[in-house]
Amino acid sequence: SQQGEEDPQALSIQEGENATMNCSYKTSINNLQWYRQNSGRGLVHLILIRSNEREKHSGRLRVTLDTSKKSSSLLITASRAADTASYFCATPPPGGGSQGNLIFGKGTKLSVKP
Amino acid sequence: DTGVSQNPRHKITKRGQNVTFRCDPISEHNRLYWYRQTLGQGPEFLTYFQNEAQLEKSRLLSDRFSAERPKGSFSTLEIQRTEQGDSAMYLCARASTGPDTGELFFGEGSRLTVL
Repeated sequence: SQQGEEDPQALSIQEGENATMNCSYKTSINNLQWYRQNSGRGLVHLILIRSNEREKHSGRLRVTLDTSKKSSSLLITASRAADTASYFCATPPPGGGSQGNLIFGKGTKLSVKP
Repeated sequence: DTGVSQNPRHKITKRGQNVTFRCDPISEHNRLYWYRQTLGQGPEFLTYFQNEAQLEKSRLLSDRFSAERPKGSFSTLEIQRTEQGDSAMYLCARASTGPDTGELFFGEGSRLTVL
């Protein structure tokens, strides 16, 4: 079953611009994660935000979480061509189990043109 | 480097053949996961090991699929009598050390093409 749903499905911007991706989920969570995947490669963990946090920063990344709206956003500032990748949000399963049994959305495909 | 090595990176096989993928975490991490990712989709959880014990299995893991982690270090995922629908990227991940926060570190994956 799908928990997270990213929006937009695809995003094309120029280098230097900011990129914003959104994720909506269905059930209560205790944390939400964002991952990046370059074409044909494995996923890279970017950031984890807990349910009691509203905003978190890591370098050029800024993640927000609104538990009342069941949504999160990932902002990449001053984008670079190397940021071209697919970005996924992931949440733990409802009802318990290992926290690593993640449910991923379909992802946002970001293309940054030089 | 995420500390997870997967082999082979690519496998092309004919329908009906058996295939095996191997995952080697760099050191002994007690929590290890397998995921499957089809084209244009996010990864889907298959199974989870804590040490050598397989604690969770997804309904996606049909009886043609079997995973093992015999000594709590490397793990294998075998698919018997492959079908075209098995074509996908198979990803292995280790959990971060310490409390189970769900942060995963993925290998580069093994891409399976069933002809």
